[in-house]
Amino acid sequence: DVKVTQSSRYLVKRTGEKVFLECVQDMDHENMFWYRQDPGLGLRLIYFSYDVKMKEKGDIPEGYSVSREKKERFSLILESASTNQTSMYLCASSRPGAGGPEETQYFGPGTRLLVL
Amino acid sequence: GENVEQHPSTLSVQEGDSAVIKCTYSDSASNYFPWYKQELGKRPQLIIDIRSNVGEKKDQRIAVTLNKTAKHFSLHITETQPEDSAVYFCAASVSNTGKLIFGQGTTLQVKP
Repeated sequence: DVKVTQSSRYLVKRTGEKVFLECVQDMDHENMFWYRQDPGLGLRLIYFSYDVKMKEKGDIPEGYSVSREKKERFSLILESASTNQTSMYLCASSRPGAGGPEETQYFGPGTRLLVL
Repeated sequence: GENVEQHPSTLSVQEGDSAVIKCTYSDSASNYFPWYKQELGKRPQLIIDIRSNVGEKKDQRIAVTLNKTAKHFSLHITETQPEDSAVYFCAASVSNTGKLIFGQGTTLQVKP
């Protein structure tokens, strides 16, 4: 059974702070993703990684960076948190499919971040 | 860029009725279409998926249909139960990238 964990369920930070959100998966998945979830906007992709040290921007990368030093771990970094980054952050992982890269994504429980 | 539109944004049905959620996508190369259910305070979980070489797939009370020509797909839930109440997301693959584009979500309420 795939297990994706995130370092915190709830986080409160001050404007300007540097914030680290960590995600770990235990299924040796190549692909890992960071989304933010806001009401009425669905899940929007921030960054994804298809291998160690590889990363690609998603649809809303501004204000975020990522790090993938080990296959099982994918970190999202808010360099200087702002109030408009208050949101639910979801991590996901998947493996490349036999017929192509489209494969089921498995989600972590989410981190609800409040920036004051 | 790629886009997925999902309707309706909210849906309220009586227990035992059917519910239908519809999605359209823009990327004609998309070939994988999963549906996720997210209960309050929990993570999204895959409930059913369909690949482009199949027109319909069923799993007990849920079914998904795909019309590749029209670029739309739908989730059908029959004999709804209160535990079906959740937010449902559709998604479409972005060809050869491993990425998914998600719809905006549908909040389904099943009234006892």
